[in-house]
Amino acid sequence: NAGVMQNPRHLVRRRGQEARLRCSPMKGHSHVYWYRQLPEEGLKFMVYLQKENIIDESGMPKERFSAEFPKEGPSILRIQQVVRGDSAAYFCASSPPGSGNTIYFGEGSWLTVV
Amino acid sequence: GQQLNQSPQSMFIQEGEDVSMNCTSSSIFNTWLWYKQDPGEGPVLLIALYKAGELTSNGRLTAQFGITRKDSFLNISASIPSDVGIYFCGGRGSTLGRLYFGRGTQLTVWP
Repeated sequence: NAGVMQNPRHLVRRRGQEARLRCSPMKGHSHVYWYRQLPEEGLKFMVYLQKENIIDESGMPKERFSAEFPKEGPSILRIQQVVRGDSAAYFCASSPPGSGNTIYFGEGSWLTVV
Repeated sequence: GQQLNQSPQSMFIQEGEDVSMNCTSSSIFNTWLWYKQDPGEGPVLLIALYKAGELTSNGRLTAQFGITRKDSFLNISASIPSDVGIYFCGGRGSTLGRLYFGRGTQLTVWP
């Protein structure tokens, strides 16, 4: 996990509020992935980004969720108007360019919606 | 989407025993990755495999990339209590950068 930095580690939001989760990839990594994990379940792919580009967002819910990875700064996963079902652990991962490279994960951001 | 079937779903073993788990895919992958996740933490990479037939070790862990490129296994020898956790396999294809995951194997080790 060393190198992929996620914050906040824990976030509590009331229903209807917005949640913003940040991810700084490992040095030299230009690819970022977001995964969601519900309690007692596996890792579900959400979105794959490169700098300023969304490469694959097939796992993102159609509404309320968005992600970006700007030229400067961390990747942001934004959840608008949160509902209780959004409560989960959100993991960011990064890799160097190329499909044959290893993906490293951050320690996760735990979102609780009350 | 592509499906990874990971088995077994859970294992209860005694300290010192060997463990084996595997993943199969309906599609060909060019990378297989094995991770371990402890409660409240992110997945930690254990072993990365990049070539069909490749056999790689990391201490007491050994993993192989299947010849058909549709499967991989992970073995843990002489298990110890700190091996407890959830083990995930992940596969990457050649056309998409995303990593597909199995549902995980929950390992419990009794002292």
